[in-house]
Amino acid sequence: GENVEQHPSTLSVQEGDSAVIKCTYSDSASNYFPWYKQELGKRPQLIIDIRSNVGEKKDQRIAVTLNKTAKHFSLHITETQPEDSAVYFCAASKSNTGKLIFGQGTTLQVKP
Amino acid sequence: GAGVSQSPSNKVTEKGKDVELRCDPISGHTALYWYRQRLGQGLEFLIYFQGNSAPDKSGLPSDRFSAERTGESVSTLTIQRTQQEDSAVYLCASSPPGGGREQFFGPGTRLTVL
Repeated sequence: GENVEQHPSTLSVQEGDSAVIKCTYSDSASNYFPWYKQELGKRPQLIIDIRSNVGEKKDQRIAVTLNKTAKHFSLHITETQPEDSAVYFCAASKSNTGKLIFGQGTTLQVKP
Repeated sequence: GAGVSQSPSNKVTEKGKDVELRCDPISGHTALYWYRQRLGQGLEFLIYFQGNSAPDKSGLPSDRFSAERTGESVSTLTIQRTQQEDSAVYLCASSPPGGGREQFFGPGTRLTVL
């Protein structure tokens, strides 16, 4: 079945720096790749997603890139702020099934 | 509008007891998912309901786990003869019909098996 690997498991950056989180997936049929942010004790919330017909998507300080050939996708956060501190999860799914296969998560700490 | 709701928010039970967890999806969302999140870990897919289609049960870890959904409304996840390794947060999510749609998560039920 599908497997999603996420790196790094923890990431610490200074406020204003950029943060990059990378994920690889195993099933070449996967075509939907969301990123979720989970603050401590809260539910996961979607921050950005990308579909396989697109190589890059940007929303203000957040961007996601997708390399279908290499089967990896990345989350880029620029000008990080302390409120960006949270756990970030990547996920993959196929359009004929909604189930998401999640990565193990990255704990991002932004130091003021 | 109202988001996904789950009850109870916390459940403490003794090993060997059965538990029922409830999920109320967003109205109009035909797809409903259950995930498990162990402490400090990622979300693990359990089961997926889409309209009147047969559910995808491929993520259920054992036959002690089962789930039901009536139409496009409430779902119940049942764990029989609970074990300590079942301790986790159980998250429910719903989404509009069709794959590749945003899943909206509920607040979760924190299950502790003593």
